[in-house]
Amino acid sequence: KQEVTQIPAALSVPEGENLVLNCSFTDSAIYNLQWFRQDPGKGLTSLLLIQSSQREQTSGRLNASLDKSSGRSTLYIAASQPGDSATYLCAVRGGGGSNYKLTFGKGTLLTVNP
Amino acid sequence: GAGVSQSPRYKVAKRGQDVALRCDPISGHVSLFWYQQALGQGPEFLTYFQNEAQLDKSGLPSDRFFAERPEGSVSTLKIQRTQQEDSAVYLCASSYRTASDYNSPLHFGNGTRLTVT
Repeated sequence: KQEVTQIPAALSVPEGENLVLNCSFTDSAIYNLQWFRQDPGKGLTSLLLIQSSQREQTSGRLNASLDKSSGRSTLYIAASQPGDSATYLCAVRGGGGSNYKLTFGKGTLLTVNP
Repeated sequence: GAGVSQSPRYKVAKRGQDVALRCDPISGHVSLFWYQQALGQGPEFLTYFQNEAQLDKSGLPSDRFFAERPEGSVSTLKIQRTQQEDSAVYLCASSYRTASDYNSPLHFGNGTRLTVT
């Protein structure tokens, strides 16, 4: 069974700081890994998708890396802003015998203080 | 509409009642997923539809849970004889391509928050 762990569970930083969120997964036989953002009472917004053959993806101030063999991914947020405050979820597709269902971590609750 | 629409946004049910949750996917999307997100947890897979066919229902917690998508567009998740442990946010997601297109992006709705008292 695929399991996804996210560290830390919560993070509070001052505005402008660079930060790293961590994600690990137990079965490296994945097709891709996604980072999502979830605002309170809202659904999930996809931030970055890294295919299994890729090492990283970038979008604006966000950079996600993938080390498939070691089962790890990081999400780097540069120059954080209060608007970045949200829960960040990591999800993998595949592994654990599943071809298409996403397996999510519990998320990291990020608070960026003005 | 432009995105995945779910209704109602909030539902309070007394233990033992039946509930029905609706999902309107993006028009033309082939794939439709239901996920359950308990408080403080990540979403967990419930079931998957490709058009009107339910190809995987392995995540449904019990036989009290039933999902359908009769015409390959709108889907309904029904929970019979609700229990307190059913309290969660139920998320619907759709995708333009079939689930075998592993890199096809999923579009999530805002979810239905179910509270069973």
